[in-house]
Amino acid sequence: DQQVKQNSPSLSVQEGRISILNCDYTNSMFDYFLWYKKYPAEGPTFLISISSIKDKNEDGRFTVFLNKSAKHLSLHIVPSQPGDSAVYFCAAFVNSGGSNYKLTFGKGTLLTVNP
Amino acid sequence: DAGVTQSPTHLIKTRGQQVTLRCSPKSGHDTVSWYQQALGQGPQFIFQYYEEEERQRGNFPDRFSGHQFPNYSSELNVNALLLGDSALYLCASSFRGVVGRAGELFFGEGSRLTVL
Repeated sequence: DQQVKQNSPSLSVQEGRISILNCDYTNSMFDYFLWYKKYPAEGPTFLISISSIKDKNEDGRFTVFLNKSAKHLSLHIVPSQPGDSAVYFCAAFVNSGGSNYKLTFGKGTLLTVNP
Repeated sequence: DAGVTQSPTHLIKTRGQQVTLRCSPKSGHDTVSWYQQALGQGPQFIFQYYEEEERQRGNFPDRFSGHQFPNYSSELNVNALLLGDSALYLCASSFRGVVGRAGELFFGEGSRLTVL
């Protein structure tokens, strides 16, 4: 029973264009959603998060959109750069206070940005 | 400032054996979580340690156990290894009392376990 789903295993875009990565979830209890990036031979690194009370959060070239009614979130990268090529994981958790996060991850989407 | 370090980076075991993986959290962090990432899957939560006790646990059998030491470092032990235990095991750390960016954990590079 996958509570966080990333249905696109891979995505390829041209440098300078927009990359849109999608994620769906089934657990209505989740109240935070986030994206992690992972390069080969490295651990995942935090990219951006959004609270369930918001519908958009921006950080530089990265914007996350949340549609609670559709249980859907997306990550927009504008403009895309070759260094953005990595696996992107969507994740979610139920906030219980503090930083003792128990994250539920999707399977990931491999983004390739072509020069 | 040392990040999360894990050892060993790679290891090969045979079915039925036992394995111990080690993790040192990022400086200043006191909470350690372990995740299993099987091939083609996302990381899956195993358990979390704080104040030397297991605080949360995911859907993993009792063959998976852990420990946290007074210096906040942690071990993951897996007994009676199965072929399906082959995976990348990731350690993540955080500081329980401080919420920085919500959901931010600091991950190590992982220990890749192959069970033959």
